[in-house]
Amino acid sequence: GAVVSQHPSRVICKSGTSVKIECRSLDFQATTMFWYRQFPKQSLMLMATSNEGSKATYEQGVEKDKFLINHASLTLSTLTVTSAHPEDSSFYICSAREQGPNAEAFFGQGTRLTVV
Amino acid sequence: AQSVAQPEDQVNVAEGNPLTVKCTYSVSGNPYLFWYVQYPNRGLQFLLKYITGDNLVKGSYGFEAEFNKSQTSFHLKKPSALVSDSALYFCAVRVSGNTPLVFGKGTRLSVIA
Repeated sequence: GAVVSQHPSRVICKSGTSVKIECRSLDFQATTMFWYRQFPKQSLMLMATSNEGSKATYEQGVEKDKFLINHASLTLSTLTVTSAHPEDSSFYICSAREQGPNAEAFFGQGTRLTVV
Repeated sequence: AQSVAQPEDQVNVAEGNPLTVKCTYSVSGNPYLFWYVQYPNRGLQFLLKYITGDNLVKGSYGFEAEFNKSQTSFHLKKPSALVSDSALYFCAVRVSGNTPLVFGKGTRLSVIA
């Protein structure tokens, strides 16, 4: 199957700093990428849908100024957590889908963010 | 709006026995159904999908799932469980087009040797 690479896999940062997470589709072009957040022992909650070359669409309750999403190319989307706080600590997972109505989504390996 | 229900938080099964992880869904329109597996601190791995065609779908690692339209279910099955199958399993649904996946809450499968 297609490969989605997410980096870093783990990051620890201080409160008030910003952290950037990268999501790359390695062997296919992804016009759309999705960013999810997963709390311990819970399901994946969609944060935003990222379309190449346009602004991301955020789900209700997700602060777009805090979670900056950029999708500048067909193989790269980034999520920047700005002015991070301990409550932002979570597991963040990106997903990229191949083109076509029947394509399945492929997921990155996730990023464990810890804000201290 | 679409939704997915995984009624069991935990499923325990002995190694070598058949396993079933349940999933029901609710969508407006034709569903695109998926199963993913997640190991600790890892992303999701695709197992199988149903788009159209045969109701019985075969996927990776010997897993299969049966689409039942009348019961709006898409249960995941495997004839003989392995200890290495122990993980967190997610059922997901979307409708056609460029819509995101909606996930169930997940079911933790524990296969005991």
